[in-house]
Amino acid sequence: DAKTTQPNSMESNEEEPVHLPCNHSTISGTDYIHWYRQLPSQGPEYVIHGLTSNVNNRMASLAIAEDRKSSTLILHRATLRDAAVYYCILITGANSKLTFGKGITLSVRP
Amino acid sequence: DAGVTQSPTHLIKTRGQQVTLRCSPKSGHDTVSWYQQALGQGPQFIFQYYEEEERQRGNFPDRFSGHQYPNYSSELNVNALLLGDSALYLCASSLPFFRDSSYEQYFGPGTRLTVT
Repeated sequence: DAKTTQPNSMESNEEEPVHLPCNHSTISGTDYIHWYRQLPSQGPEYVIHGLTSNVNNRMASLAIAEDRKSSTLILHRATLRDAAVYYCILITGANSKLTFGKGITLSVRP
Repeated sequence: DAGVTQSPTHLIKTRGQQVTLRCSPKSGHDTVSWYQQALGQGPQFIFQYYEEEERQRGNFPDRFSGHQYPNYSSELNVNALLLGDSALYLCASSLPFFRDSSYEQYFGPGTRLTVT
């Protein structure tokens, strides 16, 4: 499985933007980049996904490097509810299981 | 829509016993995946069911088995429980990847299994 690398943790202030990085230097051409997050005491929830182009949805934006070896999840205005573990995951159609790493723990200061 | 439901919420078993965990997928979903999450770790993929067959399997021993019913609900069975099987067991439902490349998986709240 293609691997992703994320920092262990990040801190942010409430109502400020947050940029969560992910490196995936061994990504293949058919790998989709997915982000999930897990709030305390809950199951993971889907955040966003992309293949080559940057993507926006109501929760976040995903910026994908031109060579696709890295990506950044952007939360435009962090709230206390955004404090969670964020997972960057690569998925292909042939192997569509979600392989979670340790993720990045985001703390949001009021 | 109730989303993904799992039962029971908590379970305590003794080493060597067998356990069955249950999952009902979100309405409209036909693919069910199971994950094991140890404390402080990310979820680990156990297996995935689609059309009542196991389609993919993670690195788990044969003591872990499953089943999917015609209504898409699923069971996870674990035999000969070990202390190390203590974890949160998560069920996720989705459409299969070939039908929806967003592959958005909806997770249930999990079953907390404690083996003593």
